[in-house]
Amino acid sequence: GAGVSQSPSNKVTEKGKDVELRCDPISGHTALYWYRQSLGQGLEFLIYFQGNSAPDKSGLPSDRFSAERTGGSVSTLTIQRTQQEDSAVYLCASSLRSAGYEQYFGPGTRLTVT
Amino acid sequence: TQLLEQSPQFLSIQEGENLTVYCNSSSVFSSLQWYRQEPGEGPVLLVTVVTGGEVKKLKRLTFQFGDARKDSSLHITAAQPGDTGLYLCAGQYGTALIFGKGTTLSVSS
Repeated sequence: GAGVSQSPSNKVTEKGKDVELRCDPISGHTALYWYRQSLGQGLEFLIYFQGNSAPDKSGLPSDRFSAERTGGSVSTLTIQRTQQEDSAVYLCASSLRSAGYEQYFGPGTRLTVT
Repeated sequence: TQLLEQSPQFLSIQEGENLTVYCNSSSVFSSLQWYRQEPGEGPVLLVTVVTGGEVKKLKRLTFQFGDARKDSSLHITAAQPGDTGLYLCAGQYGTALIFGKGTTLSVSS
């Protein structure tokens, strides 16, 4: 079966522009996570969706970051007014159920803000 | 504050050597996971350890969870070039998975 897919794989944008990153989780997985991986850093948790519950947004670094998950499936991470420090690889993961279950990661979107 | 400290950050060894990677924290985790990540790909889960003192073996890889569930180690026996990659430990902390910064392993033939 298909794994987690993310698009685009690479995105170059100018400082100040908005970007949208997409994640298609594994079918049937109710939990979805977004992480950010900067050079030399581990994965930084951003946001977590579980079923129809309110998302855990505690990892979002600023109000320029937002995410939604439509129909319990596809998720979009939006970064408004991008800054150079937003440059990183953005990874999405899904798991069958909530915390504690194995997370399956997508290949990531490499965002470069010039 | 970095909850999980991994060491060493970089490791470059010859094929056939043994190595150990450490993951330490002052926090207690309900479980701890080890992932391996190759360039351009997302991390792939290797193992989950849950019980303090637990030891799991995966072929040439041995994982250990500390008795107090605050630390873990990954030992690779007779490393091969195919083991090259970024090894990440991650602790379950509420609903979030907290990752260490990783150990970049390079095994040359």
